[in-house]
Amino acid sequence: NAGVTQTPKFQVLKTGQSMTLQCAQDMNHEYMSWYRQDPGMGLRLIHYSVGAGITDQGEVPNGYNVSRSTTEDFPLRLLSAAPSQTSVYFCASSYGPSGGAGTGELFFGEGSRLTVL
Amino acid sequence: AQTVTQSQPEMSVQEAETVTLSCTYDTSESNYYLFWYKQPPSRQMILVIRQEAYKQQNATENRFSVNFQKAAKSFSLKISDSQLGDTAMYFCAFMNYAGNMLTFGGGTRLMVKP
Repeated sequence: NAGVTQTPKFQVLKTGQSMTLQCAQDMNHEYMSWYRQDPGMGLRLIHYSVGAGITDQGEVPNGYNVSRSTTEDFPLRLLSAAPSQTSVYFCASSYGPSGGAGTGELFFGEGSRLTVL
Repeated sequence: AQTVTQSQPEMSVQEAETVTLSCTYDTSESNYYLFWYKQPPSRQMILVIRQEAYKQQNATENRFSVNFQKAAKSFSLKISDSQLGDTAMYFCAFMNYAGNMLTFGGGTRLMVKP
């Protein structure tokens, strides 16, 4: 069972470079999201999607773009990397609204460590 | 916006003993979901336990149980018979009823000592 797959697991960028973190899930989840984890701050929501073609901003969206062309994939784009974006990034998915058919449980990828010099 | 606070950055416990991790939250919603996630050194996020706010009964999962006090907006995690494998970061998290926003606390690093 693949679950949620993130690539790459490690990346070093120079300031101003762009890159895309890939996220794919094979559980037919409607809901997908991206978080960043910084020391002492827990995980903070960057962007999320409740279905193909639908995305919305989370708590810390600046500097990041997302798109959701298929149910399976939810890439996160850094258009012009900055040192403040050095972090560990997690993609997570779930069946959908916790008030509906879903349980509310998020399934996480293994994380991607990004360093911006 | 919701906020989640974990006031204990680090805790330690002897193997086989019991430890309680604290979590408080702030919300204006009446229905919501609360979670405890575990993050071992492998970095993987693992769901420990889940509580639905409209249920008065405290959730339990084997050695893990919660004390959910809705009026006080408190959601503590009790780990009984602590094991070395329980060593990890523990995050308390709040999910709104729509299920599209999960807010995490800053985490508590738990060390289980032999």
